Amino acid sequence: SQTIHQWPATLVQPVGSPLSLECTVEGTSNPNLYWYRQAAGRGLQLLFYSVGIGQISSEVPQNLSASRPQDRQFILSSKKLLLSDSGFYLCAWSVGGRVAEQYFGPGTRLTVT
Amino acid sequence: AQTVTQSQPEMSVQEAETVTLSCTYDTSENNYYLFWYKQPPSRQMILVIRQEAYKQQNATENRFSVNFQKAAKSFSLKISDSQLGDTAMYFCAFIPNRDDKIIFGKGTRLHILP
Repeated sequence: SQTIHQWPATLVQPVGSPLSLECTVEGTSNPNLYWYRQAAGRGLQLLFYSVGIGQISSEVPQNLSASRPQDRQFILSSKKLLLSDSGFYLCAWSVGGRVAEQYFGPGTRLTVT
Repeated sequence: AQTVTQSQPEMSVQEAETVTLSCTYDTSENNYYLFWYKQPPSRQMILVIRQEAYKQQNATENRFSVNFQKAAKSFSLKISDSQLGDTAMYFCAFIPNRDDKIIFGKGTRLHILP
């Protein structure tokens, strides 16, 4: 069966510090991968998605970036965090090559102070 | 533009009652998929149920069922015999047949009261 991992689970970082959130998927090959952000009590905002290694599409221009160095690894980064980057970050995967539902990881709660 | 609308920001029902969450969507596509996701206080998103637009039969998963009205572009979720563990935010979502991205509604916060 497939599983998706995210770490860290929680993170408190000062403004201006770098960020690296990691997401890995097990039990499948060539998945589509997604990064979402969710503000408190709000809906999901798609940040990035990837249909393959090195292929990243950005949905929202901001100081965040994403990379996919391996087939089942998706990384969300920032060089300098802003207060507005605080939120709950969710990684998701779906079966590649066809329309399919997405499955979500447990999320990372980021607080920028 | 393709959109998903959940008109009920928040609802409360007593345990064991049946509750229906509303969802409408707007698309010009003929083939697409619809989903309901549940986000409990732990905040992990859990897929509750899915429906393919080309299937006329409404999907059912245990106590969860949908009422899919394609012409009306309506996709409501019915929870029967509600339980305290059903307390969560529920998101309606839609994906066109030829896209990789899901469009989510803003969610309905459901409280099941003891």
